[in-house]
Amino acid sequence: KAGVTQTPRYLIKTRGQQVTLSCSPISGHRSVSWYQQTPGQGLQFLFEYFSETQRNKGNFPGRFSGRQFSNSRSEMNVSTLELGDSALYLCASSLRTSGEFNEQFFGPGTRLTVL
Amino acid sequence: DAKTTQPTSMDCAEGRAANLPCNHSTISGNEYVYWYRQIHSQGPQYIIHGLKNNETNEMASLIITEDRKSSTLILPHATLRDTAVYYCIVRPVYNFNKFYFGSGTKLNVKP
Repeated sequence: KAGVTQTPRYLIKTRGQQVTLSCSPISGHRSVSWYQQTPGQGLQFLFEYFSETQRNKGNFPGRFSGRQFSNSRSEMNVSTLELGDSALYLCASSLRTSGEFNEQFFGPGTRLTVL
Repeated sequence: DAKTTQPTSMDCAEGRAANLPCNHSTISGNEYVYWYRQIHSQGPQYIIHGLKNNETNEMASLIITEDRKSSTLILPHATLRDTAVYYCIVRPVYNFNKFYFGSGTKLNVKP
């Protein structure tokens, strides 16, 4: 079974621009979560989508947004990019949104560099 | 934010057991302990999870103290491919998928 795929893998943007990242979950998985990873802050939760609805949100400004489509694919958007947005953005998919055991499968990430 | 404390780094000789500790002194009754690892430049990978009892799978064993305030991940025969950052995560059962990863432990397996 194919794993979580993220596109693009690498991206270079300049300050003030906006960017859209895409995530395709494992077939049958309905939950998609997004994380930001930087050397200084580590892995931080951005938000989670389940059945096209945002179910949970981390402590990020409104410039960070996302959505999920009916086929469970998800996109996240960052507007008005800042230098500090340079990071590895990871997407994780899982079958459910809660419960005793709900393994998250992570994609390889998108490396965003803001110049 | 993250409710776990882990050593920044640890070394282990190849073939020996690697014991990675995690402190989660504020854990509550409905919170599970999860372990993930991240090999350089890859997404995190699930290892094991537990609530109260010790758990074992094909990758590792998880030992949780009786008071549940700490746990130890054991890789029984570490290999060079086990070199990674290991994250101990505390997650409420019904808190969706909002994982707090913390800073993790960099395990260096040496030949």
